[in-house]
Amino acid sequence: AQRVTQPEKLLSVFKGAPVELKCNYSYSGSPELFWYVQYSRQRLQLLLRHISRESIKGFTADLNKGETSFHLKKPFAQEEDSAMYYCALSGVPGGSYIPTFGRGTSLIVHP
Amino acid sequence: EPEVTQTPSHQVTQMGQEVILRCVPISNHLYFYWYRQILGQKVEFLVSFYNNEISEKSEIFDDQFSVERPDGSNFTLKIRSTKLEDSAMYFCASSSGPNTGELFFGEGSRLTVL
Repeated sequence: AQRVTQPEKLLSVFKGAPVELKCNYSYSGSPELFWYVQYSRQRLQLLLRHISRESIKGFTADLNKGETSFHLKKPFAQEEDSAMYYCALSGVPGGSYIPTFGRGTSLIVHP
Repeated sequence: EPEVTQTPSHQVTQMGQEVILRCVPISNHLYFYWYRQILGQKVEFLVSFYNNEISEKSEIFDDQFSVERPDGSNFTLKIRSTKLEDSAMYFCASSSGPNTGELFFGEGSRLTVL
């Protein structure tokens, strides 16, 4: 079964500090991985996907198949980055293309 | 920009009552989903819907749950006889294709079962 693990429920940093939100998945093939974000009082929305290899709002995420990880990183956190971040997995052969979400990590960036 | 809309934003009901949560997906999307999130837990998939039928469902989606697209715009989730453990935030989502991975979510409907 597809599974996504986000080990941290809460990550608290100061503005300007580096941020890494961890995500591990359970599959040894070639899944598609995503990060979704939910800002306060807003809807869940796609932040980035690994196949795009893009940087969105300064965030990047690299798929590490050896470690089955897809950690989200930003070198200098901003207060407006405070939000819930969800890692999601889909496209698993023999599994489902419907995204499976982790439990989320709450990022709080202090001024 | 088109958005998925959900009503009600919050519903309080007594255990055993029927509840209908409504969603209006983005108009040119063909694939619809319901997820739920119990407080403090992960976002869990319930069901997906395409071409007027369920395409996939999770083990959570038992006989107490049903979905319907009663007209060309609405997509509803019905819980026939609510239980305390059905208390959660229910999210509707839609997508343009079955495997884009990008789902467009509504703001959610919070269901509280007393």
